[in-house]
Amino acid sequence: EAEVAQSPRYKITEKSQAVAFWCDPISGHATLYWYRQILGQGPELLVQFQDESVVDDSQLPKDRFSAERLKGVDSTLKIQPAELGDSAMYLCASTLSGAGDYEQYFGPGTRLTVT
Amino acid sequence: GENVEQHPSTLSVQEGDSAVIKCTYSDSASNYFPWYKQELGKRPQLIIDIRSNVGEKKDQRIAVTLNKTAKHFSLHITETQPEDSAVYFCAAIYTGTASKLTFGTGTRLQVTL
Repeated sequence: EAEVAQSPRYKITEKSQAVAFWCDPISGHATLYWYRQILGQGPELLVQFQDESVVDDSQLPKDRFSAERLKGVDSTLKIQPAELGDSAMYLCASTLSGAGDYEQYFGPGTRLTVT
Repeated sequence: GENVEQHPSTLSVQEGDSAVIKCTYSDSASNYFPWYKQELGKRPQLIIDIRSNVGEKKDQRIAVTLNKTAKHFSLHITETQPEDSAVYFCAAIYTGTASKLTFGTGTRLQVTL
């Protein structure tokens, strides 16, 4: 069964450093999402792509976060500079976006620890 | 925007008992309500979903009910087993253009022997 891939699985970085996360959605899935999940809370949407276009980035802290999906397939989320409050699980998800198909498939996540 | 509230935050039941988790949503336009199960350190996985044109849906030991008038939906797990222990998240979305899935805060279910 096809799955969403993410790397790295774990990342420890010092504050003020730059970090990047990679996501490869399920083949053919047009919609890609990046979520941040703080321990004990539900996932919160950071950015949503439809193909290569950003559809919603209203919750993305644009002063330090950036996301791209240049060819409409895989995606990269970057944080520069990282802050202590960025420690969280970063989840990527994708959806086929066909008629009637709304299920979001999640990747294993990248657990970020900022020291 | 949409706001989803979920209760209880923790739930402990004995094996074989039933568990019920309740959620309310604020946006009457929301029309798709999935439930995700997340085991410790793992990805959220969809366990059941319901659309606004249906009042109830069942899949073996799991069922979801939706009351559109009251804007609340519930997850029911019968004959609980230790492997049901996890964090459960409800979510709501309006499946229109640029729709955003809004999650509840989660319920930690503990099934004890």
